[in-house]
Amino acid sequence: DAGVIQSPRHEVTEMGQEVTLRCKPISGHNSLFWYRQTMMRGLELLIYFNNNVPIDDSGMPEDRFSAKMPNASFSTLKIQPSEPRDSAVYFCASGFWGGGELFFGEGSRLTVL
Amino acid sequence: DQQVKQNSPSLSVQEGRISILNCDYTNSMFDYFLWYKKYPAEGPTFLISISSIKDKNEDGRFTVFLNKSAKHLSLHIVPSQPGDSAVYFCAAKDDKIIFGKGTRLHILP
Repeated sequence: DAGVIQSPRHEVTEMGQEVTLRCKPISGHNSLFWYRQTMMRGLELLIYFNNNVPIDDSGMPEDRFSAKMPNASFSTLKIQPSEPRDSAVYFCASGFWGGGELFFGEGSRLTVL
Repeated sequence: DQQVKQNSPSLSVQEGRISILNCDYTNSMFDYFLWYKKYPAEGPTFLISISSIKDKNEDGRFTVFLNKSAKHLSLHIVPSQPGDSAVYFCAAKDDKIIFGKGTRLHILP
């Protein structure tokens, strides 16, 4: 069974560039979460969707961040323009709405120079 | 303001002994609690969970205890094994799942 698939695994970019991270959730799951991991803040919830609809984006740090889920099998997290402080590992996770367990992808490590 | 707190950034335990990882929370609306384990360069993986209506859940070497009055939960691993060396995240759920900062567990030979 395929798990949550994220791409790219690694991204190195320069400050000011646009970054797009992608996620394919597990088929059948109806909730999708984006998290960011840093040493200082641990695993920080950015935004989550239920049935492709954004439910809470209060964790998105700034307007430079946006996320979409055009269908049940695909989501993107976009940063425009990127800044060095955005450097982190970004995780996508999916699960069943109301359930407890989330299944995580392997993460996208972003480095902004 | 952190709703889920893991106050120990790291913990070292001798192989074969008990590892105890602690977690505190502030939101009394949380109805489900989870522990995740994370190895380097991998995503977190689910380990064990507990509903707010229970005070203990056991799965093999892993036991989670919940003290609702103290808003505290703990994960016990016994006996500890080298493969248990990882970062452990405590998480709590209301309509979303909030994670703590994690505790890095080192199992010493």
